[in-house]
Amino acid sequence: EAGVAQSPRYKIIEKRQSVAFWCNPISGHATLYWYQQILGQGPKLLIQFQNNGVVDDSQLPKDRFSAERLKGVDSTLKIQPAKLEDSAVYLCASSWTSGSFEQFFGPGTRLTVL
Amino acid sequence: SQQGEEDPQALSIQEGENATMNCSYKTSINNLQWYRQNSGRGLVHLILIRSNEREKHSGRLRVTLDTSKKSSSLLITASRAADTASYFCATDAQGGSEKLVFGKGMKLTVNP
Repeated sequence: EAGVAQSPRYKIIEKRQSVAFWCNPISGHATLYWYQQILGQGPKLLIQFQNNGVVDDSQLPKDRFSAERLKGVDSTLKIQPAKLEDSAVYLCASSWTSGSFEQFFGPGTRLTVL
Repeated sequence: SQQGEEDPQALSIQEGENATMNCSYKTSINNLQWYRQNSGRGLVHLILIRSNEREKHSGRLRVTLDTSKKSSSLLITASRAADTASYFCATDAQGGSEKLVFGKGMKLTVNP
């Protein structure tokens, strides 16, 4: 079974620039998550999709972050404009559905904002 | 906000020894999960224990849950160098959107 795919793996940008990350979840998984993991901390949920609807985006900085999951499969996360404090690893995960199920994580995108 | 707190924050042991990690959390939960993260394999699910379970085993892993104390422990027996990683507990709070909230993590180093 193919895992969760993410691209790019690394990205370096200057502050105020824009960046986009892409995620392809495991086939058949209804729930998709985007997490931000700052060095030395645990992942923090940014947004959770159930199919193509948003379940939770309470911790998404909506003034600069946006995410979409067209057709309930792939997803993109965008930051516009980026700030220095956005430097982190952005993890995408998926699960069969929401609730008490394990989540499968992609390799992440390491973003450095200079 | 982070719900779980792992303890200790770092642990260094010799191969073959057992490693115990503890997690405390604040609110009532539906379930608690443990994940491992290393540079080679990324973040990987280890085990899930539901709020009505007290103990669960998976290979060399043993997890306990005490909902009255709002705490869990992860025991890795007969540790191997490959167990070197960061370990996170994650909780799924009752009454919420069923999202997972991760702790800050604990760094385990197993010396060969």
